[in-house]
Amino acid sequence: GDSVTQMEGPVTLSEEAFLTINCTYTATGYPSLFWYVQYPGEGLQLLLKATKADDKGSNKGFEATYRKETTSFHLEKGSVQVSDSAVYFCALSAGTGRRALTFGSGTRLQVQP
Amino acid sequence: DARVTQTPRHKVTEMGQEVTMRCQPILGHNTVFWYRQTMMQGLELLAYFRNRAPLDDSGMPKDRFSAEMPDATLATLKIQPSEPRDSAVYFCASGLVLGQQDTQYFGPGTRLTVL
Repeated sequence: GDSVTQMEGPVTLSEEAFLTINCTYTATGYPSLFWYVQYPGEGLQLLLKATKADDKGSNKGFEATYRKETTSFHLEKGSVQVSDSAVYFCALSAGTGRRALTFGSGTRLQVQP
Repeated sequence: DARVTQTPRHKVTEMGQEVTMRCQPILGHNTVFWYRQTMMQGLELLAYFRNRAPLDDSGMPKDRFSAEMPDATLATLKIQPSEPRDSAVYFCASGLVLGQQDTQYFGPGTRLTVL
């Protein structure tokens, strides 16, 4: 079945550091890929998405590129802020038929001033 | 700014009691999902509906959980009887699934504690 694997956290960075959170997936067909962010005590917010190979999703300085050859969708940001501290979830949707999301385990990011 | 709303935000109950959680999806969305989040299992799908019809409830314990959409503006998730292992955050999400478009928008969740 479909699955998503994320790097273990927590990831602790200093403000203005470069961020990478790795995400790889296993799926049949051509899934859509997503990054969601969850701030403490809140629901999940869509951060960015990509629906086909080589697409780049971007939002609020975050980027991720859909790499079919490596089945990856790594999240990057050039300069993190304290306000980026949250849990980040990589997820996929099958693209056809069953559309429920399959989530990775989440990666907690802590940014220190 | 359209949002998914969920009530209650927090619920504390005793084992054996009935719990009902409600969700109002974004107007115009044709698909509603229920997910559960726990520390041990992470985020897992419980059930989902397309145009109010249940499409998949394989993630739900059938003997105690039930999910319904009595109308397009309301989805409910009921647990009867509740057990301590049901303690979790329950999220509702809605989306307009059309062709390749399938982005889901999440509500704030209901934090359930069963004593």
